[in-house]
Amino acid sequence: KAGVTQTPRYLIKTRGQQVTLSCSPISGHRSVSWYQQTPGQGLQFLFEYFSETQRNKGNFPGRFSGRQFSNSRSEMNVSTLELGDSALYLCASSFGAQGSSYNEQFFGPGTRLTVL
Amino acid sequence: AQSVTQPDIHITVSEGASLELRCNYSYGATPYLFWYVQSPGQGLQLLLKYFSGDTLVQGIKGFEAEFKRSQSSFNLRKPSVHWSDAAEYFCAVGALLMDSNYQLIWGAGTKLIIKP
Repeated sequence: KAGVTQTPRYLIKTRGQQVTLSCSPISGHRSVSWYQQTPGQGLQFLFEYFSETQRNKGNFPGRFSGRQFSNSRSEMNVSTLELGDSALYLCASSFGAQGSSYNEQFFGPGTRLTVL
Repeated sequence: AQSVTQPDIHITVSEGASLELRCNYSYGATPYLFWYVQSPGQGLQLLLKYFSGDTLVQGIKGFEAEFKRSQSSFNLRKPSVHWSDAAEYFCAVGALLMDSNYQLIWGAGTKLIIKP
């Protein structure tokens, strides 16, 4: 079975631009979570989707948004980029309706976003 | 508020020595507890999890963890470390938040360095 894939792997943007990151979960997994990882703040939960519905949302501004498609693929979008948005963005998928706080999550390699 | 504390940012251990990584949590009920590992250049991988039952949990790669309710701790142990264990280790807690949603709350991570 193929693992979680994320595209692109690396991205460089400038302040004020917007960016869309993509995540393809493991086949059969319907839950997808997104995380931001930085050296200073560690791993922070962004949001979780299950069957195209946002189930949970972390404490991030409205510039961060996401969606999930009927094939479980997910995208996250960050508008009006700020320097502080530079981070590794991780996507994780899990099997089962209980979600990331209960089921094992399988993580992708991440997208490294640099905002200049 | 729910929180997870990993008091050690870095730990250095000689190859073949035993290891204990500490994790303390703050949560009113019995949480779901996880340990994940992030190896250089690789995604996060689940080592083990605790939901209920036997408080000593066995995981992959020879790791185990013990849930101690009285100490609100879930420390990770390994009797003899290998150079390949050098990685960053994250403790996480699945907690029910005030908005009735479960969310995974992560510790800041402990970086394990192996001395030859």
